Amino acid sequence: QKEVEQNSGPLSVPEGAIASLNCTYSDRGSQSFFWYRQYSGKSPELIMFIYSNGDKEDGRFTAQLNKASQYVSLLIRDSQPSDSATYLCAVNSNTGGFKTIFGAGTRLFVKA
Amino acid sequence: GAVVSQHPSWVICKSGTSVKIECRSLDFQATTMFWYRQFPKQSLMLMATSNEGSKATYEQGVEKDKFLINHASLTLSTLTVTSAHPEDSSFYICSATIRTGGEQFFGPGTRLTVL
Repeated sequence: QKEVEQNSGPLSVPEGAIASLNCTYSDRGSQSFFWYRQYSGKSPELIMFIYSNGDKEDGRFTAQLNKASQYVSLLIRDSQPSDSATYLCAVNSNTGGFKTIFGAGTRLFVKA
Repeated sequence: GAVVSQHPSWVICKSGTSVKIECRSLDFQATTMFWYRQFPKQSLMLMATSNEGSKATYEQGVEKDKFLINHASLTLSTLTVTSAHPEDSSFYICSATIRTGGEQFFGPGTRLTVL
C-alpha cells in the first residue's frame, strides 16, 4: 500500500463546476497535510495546508481533513481552465522521523 | 515572502562532466532543504534531505557519491551531479522549509540535459 495515494486522473470537469480531488494516507500519526499545484514543466506551488479535522477555506479552494478515515480532499469551486494542472497531496509523517510524503498527483483538466 | 531561487534554470552539458545547481532561500532562513528529481510525466522523487552544517540524508537508491550535496548556510544548498550521463537528464527541483514539518517552498527547478 502506498503511503499517500491519489487517483492519477485525468479528472475532467467543465468550466464553472466544482472539482473534487481526493487523497488517502496510511500513517495515522500524520499531523500536517498540504496541497500543491504543479503546472506542466513547472515546479510545485503551495495552495493550502490543513492541520485540524474539518474544512479550511481559502478563496475558491477548500481543504477537508478527516483523520479518522485518513483522507484529505481539495475542492475547487468555479473551476477555471487556468486550474488545469497536476495537484499533489503531501502528508507529514512522524514514522521514522519527520518526513513529508508526496502523492503521485491527480491531473485536473478544466474544459472551457 | 518565502521565495526560493535556483540557478541555473537550465543547463546542457557533455557526458562525463559535473554540474552544480544552487538553491537559495531569498527571504527566510531554511531549517531544511530538499532535493527532488522529476522525469517527464512522472511524480516527484525525493533524492535527499539537507540540513545546514550536517551531511545530507539520501533516499534509498540515490548515490551519494554521484549527487553531492553541500549545505553551506541556512540560505544556500548546492547539488552537484558528478560525471553526468544522459540518464541523469531530468528536472531537478529544490525546496526549503522554515520549520520542521512545515510547508515546503519550491524553487523554480533546473532542467538538466546531458548529451
